[in-house]
Amino acid sequence: AQKVTQAQTEISVVEKEDVTLDCVYETRDTTYYLFWYKQPPSGELVFLIRRNSFDEQNEISGRYSWNFQKSTSSFNFTITASQVVDSAVYFCALSERLAGRRALTFGSGTRLQVQP
Amino acid sequence: SQTIHQWPATLVQPVGSPLSLECTVEGTSNPNLYWYRQAAGRGLQLLFYSVGIGQISSEVPQNLSASRPQDRQFILSSKKLLLSDSGFYLCAWTQGDWGEKLFFGSGTQLSVL
Repeated sequence: AQKVTQAQTEISVVEKEDVTLDCVYETRDTTYYLFWYKQPPSGELVFLIRRNSFDEQNEISGRYSWNFQKSTSSFNFTITASQVVDSAVYFCALSERLAGRRALTFGSGTRLQVQP
Repeated sequence: SQTIHQWPATLVQPVGSPLSLECTVEGTSNPNLYWYRQAAGRGLQLLFYSVGIGQISSEVPQNLSASRPQDRQFILSSKKLLLSDSGFYLCAWTQGDWGEKLFFGSGTQLSVL
C-alpha cells in the first residue's frame, strides 16, 4: 500500500488563483515527520516545510500555507494567488521513526502548471 | 556552508554498458547519504542509503549497486545497464538521526538506449 498518496497527478490554474495540493499518508507510528518539496524544471528538489506528528498547528509562509490533520492523515498544501514561478512538481514525503531507516518516503508528486 | 555535488548532469549510455555516478558532500562530516531515482512522470524511489563508510542499505533489488569509499563520497554503479535504468537520479544528504530534511543534488538524467 502507498504510504504517501498524492492523488492529483497534474493541476492547471490561471495566475492569481488559489490552489490546494493534497497529500494523504499512512503510518502506524505515533512519531513521524511530514515534508513538502518543490521540484522546479531545473530538477533539483527544494525543501519547503517539515512538520512533526505532535504539532498540528497550521503554518503560513507568505503565499504558502499547510493544513495538517491527523484525524484524516492529511497534510495539504495551499498556494494563494498563484504565480507562474510556482509551476513545478510538488512532492509530499514521510519519515517514520519506527521504520528503522533515516530516509524519506515520497509520494508520486503533483505537477502544477500556472498559466499567465 | 554545506554543498552537494553530483555529476554528470546528463548521460546517454547504450544497453549493456557500465555506469558510475558520483556524489560528494562538502562542509560536513559523517553525513547520511542517499540515492533516489525518479522515472519519467513518476515519484521518487529510494534506491540506497548509507549511514557511514562501507555501510550500504539497499531498498530495491535491482541492477544497481552503491558504494561509499570515503566519508563524503557516494557512488552509484552498474555493470550492465538495462533500458529500465533510464531516469533521473538524485543524490541527497542529511545529518543526524531520522526525521531530518534531505538536501538534494542537482541530479543526473540518464538515458539508456
